[in-house]
Amino acid sequence: TQLLEQSPQFLSIQEGENLTVYCNSSSVFSSLQWYRQEPGEGPVLLVTVVTGGEVKKLKRLTFQFGDARKDSSLHITAAQPGDTGLYLCAPRTTNAGKSTFGDGTTLTVKP
Amino acid sequence: GAGVSQSPRYKVAKRGQDVALRCDPISGHVSLFWYQQALGQGPEFLTYFQNEAQLDKSGLPSDRFFAERPEGSVSTLKIQRTQQEDSAVYLCASSSRTFAEQYFGPGTRLTVT
Repeated sequence: TQLLEQSPQFLSIQEGENLTVYCNSSSVFSSLQWYRQEPGEGPVLLVTVVTGGEVKKLKRLTFQFGDARKDSSLHITAAQPGDTGLYLCAPRTTNAGKSTFGDGTTLTVKP
Repeated sequence: GAGVSQSPRYKVAKRGQDVALRCDPISGHVSLFWYQQALGQGPEFLTYFQNEAQLDKSGLPSDRFFAERPEGSVSTLKIQRTQQEDSAVYLCASSSRTFAEQYFGPGTRLTVT
C-alpha cells in the first residue's frame, strides 16, 4: 500500500492571503489529480497533471507536479471564502481506473 | 444533463440491520465506482464496474458488503448485518470510460447506531 501524505491537515486563513498545500509520497505516479470537496457533496475534479515538472494554472490556483512525479503542490493566490473546502490529491500508480485518495487538507478562508 | 444521484442521502440503521444504497450514474457512463469516506479521511475505493461486470472488488472490507449493477446502469451497494464501523459516507462516481474523469454523486451518509 502506498503511503500518501497531504499537508497541512488543516489550514485556516484570512481572505486575501496566499497558501500552498502539499501531496507527497515515496511512490512514482503515472498521473495525479486534485479534487475539491465541499461539505455534503462529492469531490469535484480540479486538474490532472501527467508530466514531471508540469505546472497548470486554473484562475487563482496553480498546480505543480514534481520532477520525479512523487509529489505535487497546490498554490492558491488571494484566497476567497468560496475556496473553503477539503482539497484531495489522488495519484494513480498504475493504469487502473480507480482513484486512491489522500486524507486531504481542510481549508477554511475567513472573510 | 443530470449528474450522479444517490439515494437515500441519509440512512440511520440499527446494528445488525441490512441496508441498500442506490446510485444512478450519468446516462451512458460505462464505468461506475463506489468509495467509502470515513469522517476526516479521504475516500477509499470499494469496487468498480464496467457496464454490468464487476471488474474490481478488492476494496470491499468484508463479505457483508455486496455491490451489483445488473443492467449496466443503476448500481446498488448492499451492506448486511451493519456494524458501527460501517458508519461513513458512501460515494458513487461514474465516468464515460475507464480512465476518464470521474463524476461523483453527493454520497449517502450511513450512521449505524
